[in-house]
Amino acid sequence: QVQMVESGGGVVQPGKSLRLSCVASGFALTSHAMHWIRQAPGKGLEWVAVISSDEIIKMSSDAVKGRFTISRDTSRNTVYLQMNSLRGEDTALYFCARDANEGTGHFDFWGQGTLVTVSS
Amino acid sequence: IVMTQSPATLSVSPGERATLSCRASESVSRNLAWYQQKPGQAPRLLIYGASTTATGIPGRFSGSGSGTEFTLTISSLQSEDVAVYYCQQYHNWPPATFGQGTKVEIK
Repeated sequence: QVQMVESGGGVVQPGKSLRLSCVASGFALTSHAMHWIRQAPGKGLEWVAVISSDEIIKMSSDAVKGRFTISRDTSRNTVYLQMNSLRGEDTALYFCARDANEGTGHFDFWGQGTLVTVSS
Repeated sequence: IVMTQSPATLSVSPGERATLSCRASESVSRNLAWYQQKPGQAPRLLIYGASTTATGIPGRFSGSGSGTEFTLTISSLQSEDVAVYYCQQYHNWPPATFGQGTKVEIK
């Protein structure tokens, strides 16, 4: 069955870096775009980044552009989010989500999330 | 595109109908999804294409609307439906944008 498991979250100081991983199973990354979506404590959902099924398109939100990079390793069926120059407002639960197809823009399966806390 | 949901909180008696609203700041055609998020869990896709029910979703959930006005209806509220519900547009993305959520509770 389709499953995604995120890891890599933790407590990090402002200005530091962190890399999140999302291991997917039950499907191939070459068949679906993949997204990162975050949720600040007690808040709503915010889309962060997408990587297309052919890896050609990689895009991110204005809030993280220039600081976060999405990538993948198809041999490991894993999607990554490299987060640099972290700020307090990046504190959130980060979800990995599968696009319903190759780039529909909505999400049919979600992981359970990994918590990132940016604090000194 | 800004998505606005109402009400913020909805209290409904068991077995009664729950009606949640979502408005887009400009037309999103029918490129609208609904998600359910129970406490401590990841969101789950309920509806896409404004009215198509996702796999495994109970028949009491239905969606309607197009353009800028959308509705999620729970025809007979069950205790397990207590959750926050989010709408999301994917007509003009990135970025995909979500509403702020409607919390459904049992009266």
